[in-house]
Amino acid sequence: GAGVSQTPSNKVTEKGKYVELRCDPISGHTALYWYRQSLGQGPEFLIYFQGTGAADDSGLPNDRFFAVRPEGSVSTLKIQRTERGDSAVYLCASSLMGQLQETQYFGPGTRLLVL
Amino acid sequence: DQQVKQNSPSLSVQEGRISILNCDYTNSMFDYFLWYKKYPAEGPTFLISISSIKDKNEDGRFTVFLNKSAKHLSLHIVPSQPGDSAVYFCAARSGGSEKLVFGKGTKLTVNP
Repeated sequence: GAGVSQTPSNKVTEKGKYVELRCDPISGHTALYWYRQSLGQGPEFLIYFQGTGAADDSGLPNDRFFAVRPEGSVSTLKIQRTERGDSAVYLCASSLMGQLQETQYFGPGTRLLVL
Repeated sequence: DQQVKQNSPSLSVQEGRISILNCDYTNSMFDYFLWYKKYPAEGPTFLISISSIKDKNEDGRFTVFLNKSAKHLSLHIVPSQPGDSAVYFCAARSGGSEKLVFGKGTKLTVNP
């Protein structure tokens, strides 16, 4: 079946604008994760959904960042009042049930550039 | 404070030789470890994992070794192939958390 897909693949915006990044997980996967990868760094955890609910949002850097998953499938990461420091690759991953030894499968990422 | 460290930003090896990528961690609560491979403009792809109850896991050309007392793991690729050229990320997870904690990655170049 299809893997994790993310849209758009690239997004250029101006400082202060609002952006939405979309993630389509693998069909049937109940666990969904957002990570952010800055240049020269490894992916950093942002938020984890189990079904429709955010089970762990401890990685969200501040209240400008928000994510939803209203029907337990597609998720949207929302960034308000974007800043230049938000520029990064935003990665989405999914796993079957979120259990310890399950593999997290990653999408290709959305490259966000804030000018 | 980085909990997962990959101290070598790059590694270059000849085709057919062994590649050894290293990873150190500081959090003793980590009990599951993974290696991901990443090509440019793609997301990370799962490669191999190991539970803390084991000290070795092998899958074809790839073997991961875990030394819990030293808080160190390594990925061995043998024989290395040019298609293995990518950035390799070490990641760790603890039983009480769903999130993966990643290192900064090591860029492997396998020369023909």
